[in-house]
Amino acid sequence: DAKTTQPPSMDCAEGRAANLPCNHSTISGNEYVYWYRQIHSQGPQYIIHGLKNNETNEMASLIITEDRKSSTLILPHATLRDTAVYYCIVPKNRGSGNTGKLIFGQGTTLQVKP
Amino acid sequence: AAGVIQSPRHLIKEKRETATLKCYPIPRHDTVYWYQQGPGQDPQFLISFYEKMQSDKGSIPDRFSAQQFSDYHSELNMSSLELGDSALYFCASSLRVLGNTEAFFGQGTRLTVV
Repeated sequence: DAKTTQPPSMDCAEGRAANLPCNHSTISGNEYVYWYRQIHSQGPQYIIHGLKNNETNEMASLIITEDRKSSTLILPHATLRDTAVYYCIVPKNRGSGNTGKLIFGQGTTLQVKP
Repeated sequence: AAGVIQSPRHLIKEKRETATLKCYPIPRHDTVYWYQQGPGQDPQFLISFYEKMQSDKGSIPDRFSAQQFSDYHSELNMSSLELGDSALYFCASSLRVLGNTEAFFGQGTRLTVV
């Protein structure tokens, strides 16, 4: 998996946008950026993924820089329930012997405060 | 929508006993991944199966074994349990699509070895 670097922790005020950065300078041209989060002791939850274009779903938006070496996950209106550890992962693509397993590194602990 | 089901949710065993954890993937998903998460740690990949065959292996102790059955459910068998095996064990499932690593996690089994 391409190495990713995230800040260990961030705070965000409730109702404001939370912007979580991730560096992945060794990403290959056809590898996707995935974001998962883990609320305390629950199973990791898929949020969003993207290749090169910006993506948006009901949970979040993903902004990927043009050179693809970094990305930002945006939670547009953070709530207390968004307090979690957020993981940015760039797994090897499935196929050619790669199983698509996710390697969890140090994520960002987001604390949403009232 | 159906999710990944793990059982049991909680398990208490004594040292040197055995334990079996079960995972029922999302219907039509053909790949299962197992992860171990110790206290204060990130999830660590143990092993994966694709179409009932072991497809990848991570830091899984020799005391552990796993398999995927014809109905695609998977079991993680743990023998000679040690205190250090106390952890959350997550199962995830995905559908093999070239380049896609979107995986969905169960709520986990909390194993306590006493």
